[in-house]
Amino acid sequence: GAVVSQHPSWVICKSGTSVKIECRSLDFQATTMFWYRQFPKQSLMLMATSNEGSKATYEQGVEKDKFLINHASLTLSTLTVTSAHPEDSSFYICSASRTPSSYNSPLHFGNGTRLTVT
Amino acid sequence: GQQVMQIPQYQHVQEGEDFTTYCNSSTTLSNIQWYKQRPGGHPVFLIQLVKSGEVKKQKRLTFQFGEAKKNSSLHITATQTTDVGTYFCAATNFGNEKLTFGTGTRLTIIP
Repeated sequence: GAVVSQHPSWVICKSGTSVKIECRSLDFQATTMFWYRQFPKQSLMLMATSNEGSKATYEQGVEKDKFLINHASLTLSTLTVTSAHPEDSSFYICSASRTPSSYNSPLHFGNGTRLTVT
Repeated sequence: GQQVMQIPQYQHVQEGEDFTTYCNSSTTLSNIQWYKQRPGGHPVFLIQLVKSGEVKKQKRLTFQFGEAKKNSSLHITATQTTDVGTYFCAATNFGNEKLTFGTGTRLTIIP
């Protein structure tokens, strides 16, 4: 089955620093990757859609300069939380789709990254 | 934007009892997917429904897509402790291929 690896699993950083999260599709090429954020006991909120070789598409209300997304290859997308603040503390989950969009294609999720900003 | 509501938000059942979660949308959906997220884990794909009125079964789980393609349900027969987790529906609607997750139903089992 499709495997998506996300690293790190958890990170604690100081306010003002930047954190990079990696998402890799291990056994398939992912033309599209999605980044979600999930607050405790809440649903998954789509932050951005990452397309290989092009700029990410951000959802309304998500600051593209704060959440930098790079999808440099068909197997790797990175999310960098810049100048992190305590309110950025959350569970960040990436997912990958084999097709250019998630339409009619199940998402394969990474294990998630729990970010705590102190 | 598209909203997908799920009820109930929480459900506590005795082990062995049945469980149902409902997913509702105000707009017609292209398809609907169901995911399960264990506590502390990530969502895992369960199934996808595409056709109006479609019913699919996976062992003790029964998934149904409404005739109008605006609602869906997941029914678990004779729950077990391994069924603990949050069940999310996720949907796309015509003209918008982004997957929107429902609010989720958290299931806890009383042994």
